[in-house]
Formats: sequence, C-alpha cells, structure tokens
Amino acid sequence: NAGVTQTPKFQVLKTGQSMTLQCAQDMNHEYMSWYRQDPGMGLRLIHYSVGAGITDQGEVPNGYNVSRSTTEDFPLRLLSAAPSQTSVYFCASSSGTAGDYTFGSGTRLTVV
Amino acid sequence: GEDVEQSLFLSVREGDSSVINCTYTDSSSTYLYWYKQEPGAGLQLLTYIFSNMDMKQDQRLTVLLNKKDKHLSLRIADTQTGDSAIYFCAETFDTGFQKLVFGTGTRLLVSP
Repeated sequence: NAGVTQTPKFQVLKTGQSMTLQCAQDMNHEYMSWYRQDPGMGLRLIHYSVGAGITDQGEVPNGYNVSRSTTEDFPLRLLSAAPSQTSVYFCASSSGTAGDYTFGSGTRLTVV
Repeated sequence: GEDVEQSLFLSVREGDSSVINCTYTDSSSTYLYWYKQEPGAGLQLLTYIFSNMDMKQDQRLTVLLNKKDKHLSLRIADTQTGDSAIYFCAETFDTGFQKLVFGTGTRLLVSP
C-alpha cells in the first residue's frame, strides 16, 4: 500500500505565482486534511475534508483553496504565493478511528 | 482554548531513559498522541492514550497522563541513537473530524 502520497517533494515559487500541491490516499479514508509545519510552531491545520464534496477551513486557511472531488484526492491550491507561505506541508488521511491517522512525507515549499 | 506546549530540546546519553513532557489547556480532549518525526520525514505515530486512562505502556514507551494537571509525558526506556528525532504531542476532540492540535515539538538528541 502506498498510504498517503504527496507531490512534489520540493518546490520553489516566485511571489505571486500559483501552484497546486497534490495529495492522494489509497486507504478509502473519509477524512483528509492539510497541515503546515513551521519552526517552533508545530503543525497547524489549513483545510480539511470529511468526505467527497465537503471541505472546511482549519486554523490558517487564508491564501489556500481546496476541493475534494473524489475520496482519493485532496489537492491544496496556493492562489498567489507569498513568502509567508514558505513552509513544509503535510497531507493526512484518517478513517475517524482513534490512532488511524496517516501522514504523507511532506512538500517543502519555498517562496522567494 | 486549545494550546499545547512542550519544551524545545532534550539531550540524553545512550542507554538512559528520556522523559518528554507536554502540557495542554483544553480538558475536553478525547485522545492524546505522541508522534515522532525524523529529519526530512513525515510524522510517525508512536502511541496514543484515551483521555480517561492514566497510563499506557508499549514496549520501551510509557505514556503517563495527569488530567488534573493537564500534563502528558512520554518516557523512552534504554534510549538509542536511533531515537534522536523531534517528538510531538497532539490532542484530538470529539467533534466528528478528528482535528489534531499539535505541540511545538521537542527535539531529542541521543549521544553515544
């Protein structure tokens, strides 16, 4: 099983550019989410989805869009990249059962 | 409100026990987790404890929960150099989607 797959692993963007971080899971999990990790701040929730067609905002949603057209995929879109969005982004999926939370390996994004 | 705090750094010698501490403010959490992150990698679930439990042991890992003081600890017995990593505590709440609220992370350095 692949689990949660994120692409790309690394990306450098110029300020104002847009891009999509991809996330796919093959565990048929209902719940998917995006977190960002910044030094000294742990991981913070950006957006999440409780099923295909249903998304909601997390703690730090500004500057990001998401959609969930299928159970498997949950892309994160940066509309107009800013240096403050330089971070490591993690996608996760879960079944809702305690402990059943799987993280991808992360995308390291630098905005210059 | 949700706030999870950890000390930033811990250094131990190989073979010693390590104790990583975490305090949280929201008493309505349902599960508390410990994750391990090795350099450049995603998050690996180590163990978790239900909020009505006081202790959980899993091989070299012992989790202690003091609900009165809102204090969670992770003890690693016979610490090895391969245990060097960042350790995050996290809590979830009974709100349908199991949003993880993370601490800031503790960097554990194990020296030979």
